[in-house]
Amino acid sequence: EIVLTQSPGTLSLSPGERATLSCRASQSVSSSYLAWYQQRPGQAPRLLISDASSRATGIPDRFSGSGSGTDFTLTISGLEPEDFAVYYCQLYGSSPPRYTFGQGTKLEIK
Amino acid sequence: EVQLVESGGGLVQPGGSLRLSCAASGFTFSNFAMSWVRQAPGKGLEWVSAISGSGGGTHYAESLKGRFTISRDYSKNTLYLQMNSLRAEDTAVYYCAKGGSHFDNWGQGTLVTVSS
Repeated sequence: EIVLTQSPGTLSLSPGERATLSCRASQSVSSSYLAWYQQRPGQAPRLLISDASSRATGIPDRFSGSGSGTDFTLTISGLEPEDFAVYYCQLYGSSPPRYTFGQGTKLEIK
Repeated sequence: EVQLVESGGGLVQPGGSLRLSCAASGFTFSNFAMSWVRQAPGKGLEWVSAISGSGGGTHYAESLKGRFTISRDYSKNTLYLQMNSLRAEDTAVYYCAKGGSHFDNWGQGTLVTVSS
């Protein structure tokens, strides 16, 4: 079973700064199956990035995803107040279908 | 516009059963796999179950050990989750989500509380 480990657990930054969030898989995975979500307090998760680097519809271009193999990164350039939330990475495994989430990174205002 | 609206949550005693529903609209229901994802209070996201667009394939998290059953009704464009032998650790917000390898739309969630 592949485990996703996100770091840091909490990231404290100020508006306007750049955020770099990490998601590490316990073994090499296909980047086609790596996604990122944002969850604001009291809300459902929202898809940000699929296939490791493809922004979902309506997602601002300050959000970008990168990585391959075991290491993936979500970068938010120029933090806006609404970006302070919890972020999750997620991996899809096809045989049999399984979905694994990382434990989340909380992005908080410094 | 895609809409997913869950219902059926509530308070249930340990060992009891509950059926969750997710009414889908704004897309061709039969074309997409659907999943249930849950979130215990103050915790992260946990995938529960998925069903293929055709309904022919169903998949479950191993931790559920056969207690839950996912299904879908194409005449009602509705996804279901039948939950039996509920335990305190099943207490969570349950979300339905649309998509195959990733979830591009989510419902607002329905809270299930298992307590005596």
